Amino acid sequence: DTAVSQTPKYLVTQMGNDKSIKCEQNLGHDTMYWYKQDSKKFLKIMFSYNNKELIINETVPNRFSPKSPDKAHLNLHINSLELGDSAVYFCASSQDIHYEQFFGPGTRLTVL
Amino acid sequence: AQSVSQHNHHVILSEAASLELGCNYSYGGTVNLFWYVQYPGQHLQLLLKYFSGDPLVKGIKGFEAEFIKSKFSFNLRKPSVQWSDTAEYFCAVREAAGNKLTFGGGTRVLVKP
Repeated sequence: DTAVSQTPKYLVTQMGNDKSIKCEQNLGHDTMYWYKQDSKKFLKIMFSYNNKELIINETVPNRFSPKSPDKAHLNLHINSLELGDSAVYFCASSQDIHYEQFFGPGTRLTVL
Repeated sequence: AQSVSQHNHHVILSEAASLELGCNYSYGGTVNLFWYVQYPGQHLQLLLKYFSGDPLVKGIKGFEAEFIKSKFSFNLRKPSVQWSDTAEYFCAVREAAGNKLTFGGGTRVLVKP
């Protein structure tokens, strides 16, 4: 019954590796988002897709690449991981860009 | 660029005390306003939202917020807190015609039993 789900919940990896985080929503929403929450709990938008089309692309290193295979999924691929990428990454979805957002449980990424 | 300020970073209070968390934003046009709560180890959940109409908004768990346009504020209140209200609270603002939600820095609330 989980509305917005993310896998994995925890991810520990070495610097330089490539990793992916998956997000799925079963709410029938058109819009999905990726946020990064740093160690000070500051939450910032990274990307947003509406109907599989990229509509928000904040100043994020191009090592981060979102991919939306369909409206229900928005995955985040990160190349050449760096220490500063350690954070909690939240996926969210909304009916469309004008509605409230529902958040997933987060993925805690630790880069060693 | 739009910004959102939450002036209290940490709040500690006892059960049954009243809570008020401040939120101010910088955008001068029409906005949509939100308060989210993040309980320890959990994801963000929507407490309440304001789009239009009555500026006093009631949300879940006994929370309410008041939109004061002239002060660019959307403060969150609860008359009597419980230990279970211990959490991080985030204010968020979106330009009504826009697509980006901007979050404040969060306020960590600790309620002592």
